Amino acid sequence: EGQLVESGGRLVQPGGSLRLSCAASGFNFNIYWMHWVRQAPGKGLEWISLIKYDGGATSYADSVKGRFTVSRDNAKNTLYLQMNSLRAEDTAVYYCATLSWSETDFWGQGTLVTVSS
Amino acid sequence: DVVMTQSPLSLPVTLGQPASISCRSSQSLVSSDGHTYLNWYQQRPGHSPRRLIYRVSNRDSGAPDRFSGSGSGTDFTLEISRVEAEDVGVYYCVQGTHWPHTFGQGTKLEIK
Repeated sequence: EGQLVESGGRLVQPGGSLRLSCAASGFNFNIYWMHWVRQAPGKGLEWISLIKYDGGATSYADSVKGRFTVSRDNAKNTLYLQMNSLRAEDTAVYYCATLSWSETDFWGQGTLVTVSS
Repeated sequence: DVVMTQSPLSLPVTLGQPASISCRSSQSLVSSDGHTYLNWYQQRPGHSPRRLIYRVSNRDSGAPDRFSGSGSGTDFTLEISRVEAEDVGVYYCVQGTHWPHTFGQGTKLEIK
């Protein structure tokens, strides 16, 4: 059974940087487009980024464009999210997901990022 | 960006009764390849989202058959034929036809 496990979330000061990781196992990571989705405390889901299966295309929500960068290492079955210039409004649980439109769909358990001084 | 508008935002339902959630998009979700990239997710309290329906009307293998999806173009619906206690949670639609992808605001289903 496929699994995604996020890590790297912690308390960080405004203006700081953080890199999240998402380790995939149990499915062919190399053929999936991958996404990051976040959820602020008590709020709904917000799609923030995607990356094509070969890393050849990316897309970002306006709220993170220019500050966040998504990447992947298919040899390590790992997805990354580099977050710079963090703001209080970036405080959220960050999920990695396949957000699939046909084949099996996988989501991680989420990792909490708190931006506060 | 495509705006996804769900209604209602709060849905109190009696056990055993049907429920319906609407999701409307600000642009057609029919892609140039002919597919419509609209999924429905359930998020139970304290859990990650779980997909119920993909591409409008295809039920996930693990989703109960009381869940069904329908719609086309800009209007989509998730229906629950008979609500059970385990259906409590928040339901989201999400579109992937246009970049950036966008979620609806969520509909909170509770038992009356």
